[in-house]
Amino acid sequence: RKEVEQDPGPFNVPEGATVAFNCTYSNSASQSFFWYRQDCRKEPKLLMSVYSSGNEDGRFTAQLNRASQYISLLIRDSKLSDSATYLCVVNSPEYGNKLVFGAGTILRVKS
Amino acid sequence: GAGVSQSPSNKVTEKGKDVELRCDPISGHTALYWYRQSLGQGLEFLIYFQGNSAPDKSGLPSDRFSAERTGGSVSTLTIQRTQQEDSAVYLCASSINLGEQYFGPGTRLTVT
Repeated sequence: RKEVEQDPGPFNVPEGATVAFNCTYSNSASQSFFWYRQDCRKEPKLLMSVYSSGNEDGRFTAQLNRASQYISLLIRDSKLSDSATYLCVVNSPEYGNKLVFGAGTILRVKS
Repeated sequence: GAGVSQSPSNKVTEKGKDVELRCDPISGHTALYWYRQSLGQGLEFLIYFQGNSAPDKSGLPSDRFSAERTGGSVSTLTIQRTQQEDSAVYLCASSINLGEQYFGPGTRLTVT
């Protein structure tokens, strides 16, 4: 089983739609969780950290479910500029807390 | 403050030549990662340095690849006897222990 798994998509949604991505992780002892965004031919950039209590940043909401070992990202009122690959990142306690990236979920927002 | 920097930004080399790619992490960041990414593909983990611990080399694809990190700061990724399949963008990232990673802009390597 991969340490971090994501649905590769693509998710094709119209502008204004709400879209959600899930990411599952294998190690129950993981403590750090992040969502990154990567635009075409650019390096990944941090979108938001994911806290146990859940957190929101504008149109973006991240949730952590420790019992089921998944994190989620909800994007409301999608914009064309949200089109990107969204990467889930989790630390791996068995490998010196190395941060492990999922393969990414592609989002395409269309007008 | 300064982010992660990488050099060169682009490198074109002939098959069979050796190349060195450099990464300057953010000052004070104890962890340093190398990844590579082929066009349209996901990030491929190569190697991870954390403080003074032995590096995690589990992602290096062959013994032609090696990396070192001198003085806990600058890192060099060396690819010997380059092959065309080594063509990719090589990304470096640094972080503080469990904190988020910050990526450099990458080195685009083309092997002809």
